[in-house]
Amino acid sequence: GAGVSQSPSNKVTEKGKDVELRCDPISGHTALYWYRQRLGQGLEFLIYFQGNSAPDKSGLPSDRFSAERTGESVSTLTIQRTQQEDSAVYLCASSLGGQGIRETQYFGPGTRLLVL
Amino acid sequence: GDSVTQMEGPVTLSEEAFLTINCTYTATGYPSLFWYVQYPGEGLQLLLKATKADDKGSNKGFEATYRKETTSFHLEKGSVQVSDSAVYFCALSETGANSKLTFGKGITLSVRP
Repeated sequence: GAGVSQSPSNKVTEKGKDVELRCDPISGHTALYWYRQRLGQGLEFLIYFQGNSAPDKSGLPSDRFSAERTGESVSTLTIQRTQQEDSAVYLCASSLGGQGIRETQYFGPGTRLLVL
Repeated sequence: GDSVTQMEGPVTLSEEAFLTINCTYTATGYPSLFWYVQYPGEGLQLLLKATKADDKGSNKGFEATYRKETTSFHLEKGSVQVSDSAVYFCALSETGANSKLTFGKGITLSVRP
């Protein structure tokens, strides 16, 4: 079946511009996560959506970052007024939801963002 | 807060060599532990996991045992293949933390013929 998809796969933007990244989770997965991977670093948690509950935004690094999710489907991560330190690979993952910490998360291929 | 520490890389081995990749963690509760792998040109995928102390996760010839007394989850394989060349990430998911994953920095494994 289809896995998690993300678009665009690559994005080059100029400092100060806004960017929008998209994630399509696996159908039926109620949980959705965004992570960021900067060069030479592990993945950092950004935000978590579970069904209709309020999202966990505790990992967002600044108020320039925001994310939305429509029901249990597509999610968009928006970065406003991009800075060079935002350059990273942004990964989306989804899971069935409701099974707690034992759940397996399924990752998309990522969006590689470069801010010039 | 929670953290995962992996051994420094990269690691280069000859085919059929024994592999150990060290991973230790810090957590306040009883986390689940994971190894994820990223093959060249592919997305991150689960390799194996263990959800309680003394559990052993295994897949594709790889094994890791959840050791609470040493807070470790070392990855091992008895005989590596060229196709095992990839980046390996150790991660944990903590109780009450919305199942988010905390990752180590990852280690690149290269296996030469």
